[in-house]
Amino acid sequence: GAGVSQSPSNKVTEKGKDVELRCDPISGHTALYWYRQSLGQGLEFLIYFQGNSAPDKSGLPSDRFSAERTGGSVSTLTIQRTQQEDSAVYLCASSSSGSWNSQYFGPGTRLTVL
Amino acid sequence: GIQVEQSPPDLILQEGANSTLRCNFSDSVNNLQWFHQNPWGQLINLFYIPSGTKQNGRLSATTVATERYSLLYISSSQTTDSGVYFCAVEDSGGGADGLTFGKGTHLIIQP
Repeated sequence: GAGVSQSPSNKVTEKGKDVELRCDPISGHTALYWYRQSLGQGLEFLIYFQGNSAPDKSGLPSDRFSAERTGGSVSTLTIQRTQQEDSAVYLCASSSSGSWNSQYFGPGTRLTVL
Repeated sequence: GIQVEQSPPDLILQEGANSTLRCNFSDSVNNLQWFHQNPWGQLINLFYIPSGTKQNGRLSATTVATERYSLLYISSSQTTDSGVYFCAVEDSGGGADGLTFGKGTHLIIQP
């Protein structure tokens, strides 16, 4: 079946603009995760959804970052007033029900902030 | 939070060689996965292995949870095995907090 999909695959934006990144999890997966990968920080966890709720948002780097999930499926990660340090690859993963299950990753969105 | 250390950081081998990659973690886990990140950046699942031993073709993995380490074995390496191998864990402290990744082992297989 289809894997995790993300859009856009690449996004170039100017400093100060808002961006929205989208993730479509594997059908039937109730858990959804956002990560980012940058040269300086490696792979870091941002936020987790079980269904539509995110019990812990403390992994988000700043209050410019927000995420939502509707209908237990698609999720969007929004970055407001982008800064150059936000440049990274943003990865989405899903799993069938959270802990004790494999996470499957999408291809990522490469964000470049000029 | 939980710490994950991978070794070696870099490994260069000739095609056909065998290799062992190690992952040490600092606390008990309820998820441990090995990934291969290909040159296009895609993270490919290799193993979900919080404990025990698994094999898939030329790859196998062993996790000794009580001693807090995992090993990934690659036998008869091929050039397509090149890339970065990541170990990632989720600690068992409650809730699903996402995976903590090691810094990876960068493997280069030369023809």
